[in-house]
Amino acid sequence: DSGVTQTPKHLITATGQRVTLRCSPRSGDLSVYWYQQSLDQGLQFLIQYYNGEERAKGNILERFSAQQFPDLHSELNLSSLELGDSALYFCASSVGVGQTSYNSPLHFGNGTRLTVT
Amino acid sequence: AQSVAQPEDQVNVAEGNPLTVKCTYSVSGNPYLFWYVQYPNRGLQFLLKYITGDNLVKGSYGFEAEFNKSQTSFHLKKPSALVSDSALYFCAVRDISNAGNMLTFGGGTRLMVKP
Repeated sequence: DSGVTQTPKHLITATGQRVTLRCSPRSGDLSVYWYQQSLDQGLQFLIQYYNGEERAKGNILERFSAQQFPDLHSELNLSSLELGDSALYFCASSVGVGQTSYNSPLHFGNGTRLTVT
Repeated sequence: AQSVAQPEDQVNVAEGNPLTVKCTYSVSGNPYLFWYVQYPNRGLQFLLKYITGDNLVKGSYGFEAEFNKSQTSFHLKKPSALVSDSALYFCAVRDISNAGNMLTFGGGTRLMVKP
């Protein structure tokens, strides 16, 4: 058990809808990362938050947004959903940022499987 | 930009035989390299990491990885494969080029161990 909790495990929704994915990081971890895993594109980094602030952005669509709350849990909001958004969405956490954290692995949750019909 | 490549989509080995899953990297500066394993319907599990020091890194479940700076490779190895090792394996490099420190992953290699 990685200590990272993601809810829900599965989500089925229709095109055009909006969903929210939730992540609770491992105790003591201040950084949260969101990744998308699809069959044809592997693991794509979406966005990183550190202690409530956005730290880095990857290939995240404008229809997607995220935030990290004071209790350090994070939510990923996906709107105007399209069929191509169907994927596994992973949250990961790690201790922090900066050079002292370079050797710290990311700890992954079990993911949320989103199916858009 | 940092990147990793896993040249094999799938590796097939017989149980009891040694296995190697290949990874090459491209970084500016010192490489921070990681291996993860993903079982069906599960998240990625950390196996091992290379930071500095010995070129042979030992990790979980009997896995080890060999770092080779001249060949910019970080191959995952195990002396004797088990059927239960069958899974998807990802190599990753830490991106230290910006304010974040995310991992950039290779495309993954599916390991099939046959009895």
